[in-house]
Amino acid sequence: LAKTTQPISMDSYEGQEVNITCSHNNIATNDYITWYQQFPSQGPRFIIQGYKTKVTNEVASLFIPADRKSSTLSLPRVSLSDTAVYYCLVGASIYNQGGKLIFGQGTELSVKP
Amino acid sequence: ETGVTQSPTHLIKTRGQQVTLRCSSQSGHNTVSWYQQALGQGPQFIFQYYREEENGRGNFPPRFSGLQFPNYSSELNVNALELDDSALYLCASSSPTGFRPYTQYFGPGTRLTVL
Repeated sequence: LAKTTQPISMDSYEGQEVNITCSHNNIATNDYITWYQQFPSQGPRFIIQGYKTKVTNEVASLFIPADRKSSTLSLPRVSLSDTAVYYCLVGASIYNQGGKLIFGQGTELSVKP
Repeated sequence: ETGVTQSPTHLIKTRGQQVTLRCSSQSGHNTVSWYQQALGQGPQFIFQYYREEENGRGNFPPRFSGLQFPNYSSELNVNALELDDSALYLCASSSPTGFRPYTQYFGPGTRLTVL
């Protein structure tokens, strides 16, 4: 299972775009990249998932370069409510891995007014 | 559509006791996974149940055990509690289809404190 490396913390201000980069040098051909968001004392919440190039939904965008050794979660115009821990996960079929999601320490994003 | 629910919300036990945590999966989901999250750390996978059978286990001792019921709800049992078992216990449900990674939907968690 590919190991991921993210910054431990980031600061931003309301209205700014925030980009969180995750490094996964050992990503395998079948691996997908998934991001979760977690608020204190709550369960993680799925944000976005992708395999290559760019994926966008109503919450965020995910940019994956051609070599797939890194990925960038982009949060447009953050607000105070985006203050949370963001986890980057890499893995293939979760079912074939026995259901295991491997979380790192995540990136603690702090949005200031 | 009802999301994942867990009970109780908080629990205080003493060392050596046993505890049972409960989880109701999201409607339509047949798979439940359990995670332990210590303060300041990411969630750690304990095990997963798929159609009432254990379908994968993380690096946790046998005193962590589980069950899944025909309605796909689940229990996590921990025997001989230790101080290090103090953590947020998360349940996640999902419905695997095909080979692409499927989304796991997490409940709010149960905060266990062992004194």
